[in-house]
Amino acid sequence: DTEVTQTPKHLVMGMTNKKSLKCEQHMGHRAMYWYKQKAKKPPELMFVYSYEKLSINESVPSRFSPECPNSSLLNLHLHALQPEDSALYLCASSQDPLDRVYGYTFGSGTRLTVV
Amino acid sequence: KNEVEQSPQNLTAQEGEFITINCSYSVGISALHWLQQHPGGGIVSLFMLSSGKKKHGRLIATINIQEKHSSLHITASHPRDSAVYICAVPSPDDKIIFGKGTRLHILP
Repeated sequence: DTEVTQTPKHLVMGMTNKKSLKCEQHMGHRAMYWYKQKAKKPPELMFVYSYEKLSINESVPSRFSPECPNSSLLNLHLHALQPEDSALYLCASSQDPLDRVYGYTFGSGTRLTVV
Repeated sequence: KNEVEQSPQNLTAQEGEFITINCSYSVGISALHWLQQHPGGGIVSLFMLSSGKKKHGRLIATINIQEKHSSLHITASHPRDSAVYICAVPSPDDKIIFGKGTRLHILP
């Protein structure tokens, strides 16, 4: 299995809802990432987990809450989002954060719309 | 200032044409990614290279570490190659710096 699987592919949620995005990989990668991408912009890093511990938080608002229950799974819990949070949320993984050889594998993303 | 610059920003070409997309970077790196993103879609890693040249099907990527420059070439381009091509480099603090992407449109 050489993929990063993200679910759901599309999500529409109200500003008072609580929802979660899921990311899964079975490549034995020990670093996992959440990115946010607005239309026609490059991805922006949100969080990095290294060996199941949060290592980088790019000053993301607390309405986004990451969780790494095990080495294969990464969640992003969403609560009280704003319409401007509508974006494509991408998950990625790499063998470890210092990987300079094998690179990163990206998921296909979750298209989030906040209404 | 974006430390990864891509050119051109937009490129429209006829099917069959040879395509070149360029990437220049200012940080010292050991490797560089070329990524592909179709409209509304996720990102696919095309190449990670640290020297010389790599080839995969009709795609060729080259890098010159001394000149801090990489190119992505597509031979015999096809409408299904239409996508955004993104150059990305690892930063010293273990993040990824993305270029702004090159929007490629291949006309049938």
